[in-house]
Amino acid sequence: SQQGEEDPQALSIQEGENATMNCSYKTSINNLQWYRQNSGRGLVHLILIRSNEREKHSGRLRVTLDTSKKSSSLLITASRAADTASYFCATDLRATDSWGKLQFGAGTQVVVTP
Amino acid sequence: KAGVTQTPRYLIKTRGQQVTLSCSPISGHRSVSWYQQTPGQGLQFLFEYFSETQRNKGNFPGRFSGRQFSNSRSEMNVSTLELGDSALYLCASSMTGEANEKLFFGSGTQLSVL
Repeated sequence: SQQGEEDPQALSIQEGENATMNCSYKTSINNLQWYRQNSGRGLVHLILIRSNEREKHSGRLRVTLDTSKKSSSLLITASRAADTASYFCATDLRATDSWGKLQFGAGTQVVVTP
Repeated sequence: KAGVTQTPRYLIKTRGQQVTLSCSPISGHRSVSWYQQTPGQGLQFLFEYFSETQRNKGNFPGRFSGRQFSNSRSEMNVSTLELGDSALYLCASSMTGEANEKLFFGSGTQLSVL
């Protein structure tokens, strides 16, 4: 079963608009990460936010984390056609057997049209 | 620094055969994780290796196995292939595999079982 669930499943926007996607998870975490995947390729790490952080920025990306609601959001500002990809949130578990193991959500497919 | 390299990029096999996939991590990374990605199940954790030892394992049958060599390169093997094993297999590396590390993914091996 998946730890994270993204919402929406798909998002279509025009260049210059902002894209917001949400992730909910079920159990306590150490960190939450966001990854991007271009079609049929590997995942690329975007940002990591720790459980004691509430907001983090990286370039055009803004991530928030609300541990009381077990949810996170990823905002991409001023989107570009190159941002077209699937976006996944991933959580680790507060467990001793979490070596190398992230639990990924189902992903949000974002299409940015010129 | 070279990224994570997975070979081969594509594989076509028939049911009952076995397959070996290879992964070379980023130089200096000692943790290698494997994930299976399918449209229906999403990204599922297979196992993680560190210093030639499997430290963590997902919920996959014994037909899925792996190993890691002294140079941190890793292989995974799937025996007695089933149609449901068709998937994108992703390898990821990190320095130590700890929960606060980001994962660096390869481009994956697309396996088709006919």
